[in-house]
Amino acid sequence: GAVVSQHPSRVICKSGTSVKIECRSLDFQATTMFWYRQFPKQSLMLMATSNEGSKATYEQGVEKDKFLINHASLTLSTLTVTSAHPEDSSFYICSARDLGTSVSETQYFGPGTRLLVL
Amino acid sequence: GESVGLHLPTLSVQEGDNSIINCAYSNSASDYFIWYKQESGKGPQFIIDIRSNMDKRQGQRVTVLLNKTVKHLSLQIAATQPGDSAVYFCAETYTGGFKTIFGAGTRLFVKA
Repeated sequence: GAVVSQHPSRVICKSGTSVKIECRSLDFQATTMFWYRQFPKQSLMLMATSNEGSKATYEQGVEKDKFLINHASLTLSTLTVTSAHPEDSSFYICSARDLGTSVSETQYFGPGTRLLVL
Repeated sequence: GESVGLHLPTLSVQEGDNSIINCAYSNSASDYFIWYKQESGKGPQFIIDIRSNMDKRQGQRVTVLLNKTVKHLSLQIAATQPGDSAVYFCAETYTGGFKTIFGAGTRLFVKA
């Protein structure tokens, strides 16, 4: 089946630094990828929709200048957390929708990236 | 943001019993619903889906029921096994938006 990978799987950084998280669709093309954030014991919260070749669409309350999204190819989207602070510590999960499908189970989730900001 | 969760409710069942996990969704325009299973430290895993023109769909050991009148979704797991222990999320999608919004989630504990 289709696989989505994320790199790194976990990262620890100092407050004020920037961290880049990669999301790749390994065996399919994805025009649309989604970024979620999940705090402990909570649900996944959609942060933004990443569109290949165009600007990302951010959900209300998500700062686009802080969470930079780049969807440079049909298999790669990156999320950069700029000037990270301890409150940005969370589990970041991406998902990718298979090209050419509408709504179906073909939204594949990555394994997540655990970010800890000290 | 949407679907801000509180601490997860918990369901504890005995191995071999049936489990029923409930979910209330918010958008009456949603036309596609999915149940996901999430194990600790991992991404969500697709279990079963249902479209809004259906009220029941069965998979292997799982059944999803949809009641659009009260905007309620349930997941039934037959003969629950220890490997079913995880957090279960319902999610809703409306084709016009292509976004999937997650519900609050339920933690399932299976006692051996």
